Amino acid sequence: GENVEQHPSTLSVQEGDSAVIKCTYSDSASNYFPWYKQELGKGPQLIIDIRSNVGEKKDQRIAVTLNKTAKHFSLHITETQPEDSAVYFCAASNGNTGNQFYFGTGTSLTVIP
Amino acid sequence: ETGVTQSPTHLIKTRGQQVTLRCSSQSGHNTVSWYQQALGQGPQFIFQYYREEENGRGNFPPRFSGLQFPNYSSELNVNALELDDSALYLCASSLPGFDTEAFFGQGTRLTVV
Repeated sequence: GENVEQHPSTLSVQEGDSAVIKCTYSDSASNYFPWYKQELGKGPQLIIDIRSNVGEKKDQRIAVTLNKTAKHFSLHITETQPEDSAVYFCAASNGNTGNQFYFGTGTSLTVIP
Repeated sequence: ETGVTQSPTHLIKTRGQQVTLRCSSQSGHNTVSWYQQALGQGPQFIFQYYREEENGRGNFPPRFSGLQFPNYSSELNVNALELDDSALYLCASSLPGFDTEAFFGQGTRLTVV
């Protein structure tokens, strides 16, 4: 089955700096890659996603890149703000299994004011 | 708020007991997935229901079972509880399709003692 690895497990940045979180996946059939933000006591919330026919997607301060050949994808957050502090998860799924996601182990991001 | 509601929010059970967790999906969403999230880990896929039928299952034993009702709400049942079943149980609803957005509830925190 699919195996998603995520790095780093913790990340601290100064407010205004950029943060990058990287994930790799093992199943070449995976073709949908969402990123979720989870705040304490809440369920994961989708922040951005990318499909395998696209190499990059951007939404304001958040961007995701995908390298299908290398089987890795990354989340980029620019101009970080204290409210960006949370745990971020990457995930992968394929068209044969619908929204049955394999998640990474999470990155705890702390933005220092 | 995602429109996905789970109940109860917290639950304490004794080893060997049985538990039922409930999920109301977002309006119009006929696909419901359940995930188990251990402390400090990413969510792990348990199973998915589409139009009241199980539509995929992760690596969980048969004592984890589920139901989906005609109104698309869902239940997760766990029999013969073990200490390792202590976790946050998340429900996610979505429209059918492999790359449609999945909306998560806030989860049920189950503690087995």
